Amino acid sequence: GENVEQHPSTLSVQEGDSAVIKCTYSDSASNYFPWYKQELGKRPQLIIDIRSNVGEKKDQRIAVTLNKTAKHFSLHITETQPEDSAVYFCAAKGFIHQGGKLIFGQGTELSVKP
Amino acid sequence: DTGVSQDPRHKITKRGQNVTFRCDPISEHNRLYWYRQTLGQGPEFLTYFQNEAQLEKSRLLSDRFSAERPKGSFSTLEIQRTEQGDSAMYLCASSPELAGATDEQFFGPGTRLTVL
Repeated sequence: GENVEQHPSTLSVQEGDSAVIKCTYSDSASNYFPWYKQELGKRPQLIIDIRSNVGEKKDQRIAVTLNKTAKHFSLHITETQPEDSAVYFCAAKGFIHQGGKLIFGQGTELSVKP
Repeated sequence: DTGVSQDPRHKITKRGQNVTFRCDPISEHNRLYWYRQTLGQGPEFLTYFQNEAQLEKSRLLSDRFSAERPKGSFSTLEIQRTEQGDSAMYLCASSPELAGATDEQFFGPGTRLTVL
């Protein structure tokens, strides 16, 4: 079935360092890949997304890269700050289910130490 | 607040009782989704509506679960004969159905269910 694997499950970095989170997906028809940030007790919030016709997208300190051949995508956060500490989820949505469900990864708990 | 809203935010119930949750999507968002999130896990898809039509249901949605969106606006999720394994955060999300519009799903704050 459809599956998204996310690594690592926890990540601790020093303030100012970069953080990278990686995801792989199983459904080759997937065409939309969002990343959500979820702070403790709060709703998931979209931080960046990418469509399958684009290989890379950047928004200030956050970037996402997509390798369709290998079926994996990554989140890159540069110059990390303590407020970046949260749980990050990747997700994939398939073309067949256009407008439908997101399949989420297991999450990465990012801790940025001052 | 024009975001997705959910009610109640917290629900504590005894095993065997029925519970109902409500979700109000962003106005004019045709698509509405229900997800379940347990501690330390990503959200898991439960069901999806386009307007009032329920177009997809997960195998996770047992016969004890039912969802409705009668007028294509708010939605309700009912769990009958609750079990301890139903304890989780139930998240609602909505997205617009417009050509060229974002695929982004906007999440509500969730309803945290605890079954004793």
